[in-house]
Amino acid sequence: AQKITQTQPGMFVQEKEAVTLDCTYDTSDPSYGLFWYKQPSSGEMIFLIYQGSYDQQNATEGRYSLNFQKARKSANLVISASQLGDSAMYFCAMREGAGSSNTGKLIFGQGTTLQVKP
Amino acid sequence: GAVVSQHPSWVICKSGTSVKIECRSLDFQATTMFWYRQFPKQSLMLMATSNEGSKATYEQGVEKDKFLINHASLTLSTLTVTSAHPEDSSFYICSARPRAGANVLTFGAGSRLTVL
Repeated sequence: AQKITQTQPGMFVQEKEAVTLDCTYDTSDPSYGLFWYKQPSSGEMIFLIYQGSYDQQNATEGRYSLNFQKARKSANLVISASQLGDSAMYFCAMREGAGSSNTGKLIFGQGTTLQVKP
Repeated sequence: GAVVSQHPSWVICKSGTSVKIECRSLDFQATTMFWYRQFPKQSLMLMATSNEGSKATYEQGVEKDKFLINHASLTLSTLTVTSAHPEDSSFYICSARPRAGANVLTFGAGSRLTVL
């Protein structure tokens, strides 16, 4: 069965510094997708970044990058130049399968609360 | 594009009553929608997969008679919490695939249910 683990319940970072949020996963499916979502206190889920299991390069989206280490089954999120508005809960998620076997179902990790200090 | 609207955003009800939450895809057709439940400071737990025109697929441990899901059209899925009790108080979020095979789901803004 697939599993997503985030071991950092809470993290602090100084404004303008970089921070890494950890995520490890487990799956027996060779085809899968990894996602990071941000959830501010309002509750909405904001998509940040996606990495496919067959993607050769690490995904990047602006200040967000995903450090994908397939052999170690880790998909850490790196936020560069932290801003006060980055304070939120961050979730790592996984979707198994591709093509017709891709049901779209996401399984989420426990989440990490990030606080950016001025 | 790919907007999912969820209504109501918050609701308070008395114990024993039923509450309906709507999830609409505004600018796309969604054959599949997903319902999640989230307790404060915790993860999103998948409750069920809602399939247009057929029965929902519930995750293990989710009571299908308690959480009724109906997906009668390509743009609307509803979750009805029947005979709600205080322990059903939670944040309920729906999501949908903007197109077949899409990797990224679009989420609604969530509905906060408080049962008194």
